[in-house]
Amino acid sequence: DGGITQSPKYLFRKEGQNVTLSCEQNLNHDAMYWYRQDPGQGLRLIYYSQIVNDFQKGDIAEGYSVSREKKESFPLTVTSAQKNPTAFYLCASSHAAPRGDQPQHFGDGTRLSIL
Amino acid sequence: KQEVTQIPAALSVPEGENLVLNCSFTDSAIYNLQWFRQDPGKGLTSLLLIQSSQREQTSGRLNASLDKSSGRSTLYIAASQPGDSATYLCAVSLLFSGATNKLIFGTGTLLAVQP
Repeated sequence: DGGITQSPKYLFRKEGQNVTLSCEQNLNHDAMYWYRQDPGQGLRLIYYSQIVNDFQKGDIAEGYSVSREKKESFPLTVTSAQKNPTAFYLCASSHAAPRGDQPQHFGDGTRLSIL
Repeated sequence: KQEVTQIPAALSVPEGENLVLNCSFTDSAIYNLQWFRQDPGKGLTSLLLIQSSQREQTSGRLNASLDKSSGRSTLYIAASQPGDSATYLCAVSLLFSGATNKLIFGTGTLLAVQP
């Protein structure tokens, strides 16, 4: 079955530690996205990528980094510079615009907490 | 700056009732509008996508309407069932950087359907 796989489901970060969240898709989508979800604030865009080896900052990129070396994969690293990393992280993918009929497909998320 | 608001924040209805969820947005220059469902601790499932040139979309018991000029969308759920209990999110899509849709999310409506 085609879909988006995020791992791990739960992750704990120690002070000063970088952690990497995995996102893999087999939907043959060009575009991939990372969102952060906090209670009462909805989803906010961290980074997005339209094509391999290219990515852009979203609204809250500080303290995060990404890479897009393969079409199927878009890992997110939460660095020690992110002082409030506790949140639910969601990865999504879609066909690239300008086709307006293409919804974004989401993974099941990774919940990150601070130890 | 585009802002998306969803009212009410929470709603509890008895099984079988028809209900309407509301979404409003401040900038009418949208590419499309999507409604998502999120179950607790899970990712988002796309329910309906309305392109900017469309007025409504239907899928089973769900009907979504779009009025760009007034900045409003509604999600109508007919004959609600306990399995409809979830958080419903709307998001508007902005086209930028030539190829990728950026989603701006509302904070969601938490729906509980009582058996």
